[in-house]
Amino acid sequence: AQSVSQHNHHVILSEAASLELGCNYSYGGTVNLFWYVQYPGQHLQLLLKYFSGDPLVKGIKGFEAEFIKSKFSFNLRKPSVQWSDTAEYFCAVNPKAAGNKLTFGGGTRVLVKP
Amino acid sequence: DAGVTQSPTHLIKTRGQQVTLRCSPKSGHDTVSWYQQALGQGPQFIFQYYEEEERQRGNFPDRFSGHQFPNYSSELNVNALLLGDSALYLCASSLGTGGAEAFFGQGTRLTVV
Repeated sequence: AQSVSQHNHHVILSEAASLELGCNYSYGGTVNLFWYVQYPGQHLQLLLKYFSGDPLVKGIKGFEAEFIKSKFSFNLRKPSVQWSDTAEYFCAVNPKAAGNKLTFGGGTRVLVKP
Repeated sequence: DAGVTQSPTHLIKTRGQQVTLRCSPKSGHDTVSWYQQALGQGPQFIFQYYEEEERQRGNFPDRFSGHQFPNYSSELNVNALLLGDSALYLCASSLGTGGAEAFFGQGTRLTVV
């Protein structure tokens, strides 16, 4: 069965700092990859997705992620965070052979101090 | 354009009882998936419905069952509730079963006492 690992459970940083959240998955086949964000009191929202093509994908709110197939990784980055980026971030993997089933990582809580 | 809506938002049940949670998918979507999110964890896939049939199932016992109606809305039923069933239950809708982007509802917070 596939699994998804997010390396950091909690990250605290100051505004304008750069953010990088790690995500590794275990699955040997072709995958779709997602990062979702959950702001306090809100539902899960899609930040960005990778289906195929350019491994560097750009999402909403200045976020980007890079798919490195050889490392089974899909790390999320933002060059300069804002207080409003305080949220929980989830990496999710969908093996193309598994329909729409998403396997999520455990999440990373990010606190941006003003 | 309505997003995914779930009801109720909060629910408290007693051990051994049964519960039904409801989900209306985003307009234009025909596939509904259910996830359980325990406190401090990522969502875990329960099952998925398409064309009124359960198409995929995660590692959950038969106490968890569901239904999809002709209008694509869905219900999640849990029988013989255990304390460990306390969690946020999320509904996600998408178009088809080919790995399309999923849109999530706000969830139903179930507390079993």
